[in-house]
Amino acid sequence: GNSVTQMEGPVTLSEEAFLTINCTYTATGYPSLFWYVQYPGEGLQLLLKATKADDKGSNKGFEATYRKETTSFHLEKGSVQVSDSAVYFCALSSPMDSNYQLIWGAGTKLIIKP
Amino acid sequence: NAGVTQTPKFQVLKTGQSMTLQCAQDMNHEYMSWYRQDPGMGLRLIHYSVGAGITDQGEVPNGYNVSRSTTEDFPLRLLSAAPSQTSVYFCASSYDPGNTIYFGEGSWLTVV
Repeated sequence: GNSVTQMEGPVTLSEEAFLTINCTYTATGYPSLFWYVQYPGEGLQLLLKATKADDKGSNKGFEATYRKETTSFHLEKGSVQVSDSAVYFCALSSPMDSNYQLIWGAGTKLIIKP
Repeated sequence: NAGVTQTPKFQVLKTGQSMTLQCAQDMNHEYMSWYRQDPGMGLRLIHYSVGAGITDQGEVPNGYNVSRSTTEDFPLRLLSAAPSQTSVYFCASSYDPGNTIYFGEGSWLTVV
């Protein structure tokens, strides 16, 4: 079946460091891929998405490229800030699923120290 | 610009009590869903609905009921609360299930 695997957290970085959070997936067909972010005490919100191979999603300085050859959608940011501290979720939506159910990764907690 | 509104935000229940978590959206979305979030387990789908009058089970439906009498509302009922249902619950909606999902702010439920 479809699945999403994220790197385990927490990930702790200093301010202005480079960030990578790994996400790999297993899916039939051509899924859409998403990154959602959850700030402390809040619900999840969409950070970025990509709907086909080689697409790059970007938002708020974060980027992720849909790599079909490696079945990956790694999240990157060149210089993180304390305000980026949050939990990040990778997810996929497969058109092969009749109800387009989102499949979620377990989430990666990111802690940025000043 | 309300989006998805959940109530209550916090609730403490005794084992065996019943309660309803309310969810309403004002975006005219057909697709609505309920998730629970537990430490280290990410999000797990409880129930979902693809339109008024249509509901279906997700990954962890036991102990929960839903109904969808209108497009706007999608309440989640706990029939007889158990400590294992202590969790954070999120309601979500989207135009269609493959599109961007909008989440409520969450409901923190403790069953003692």
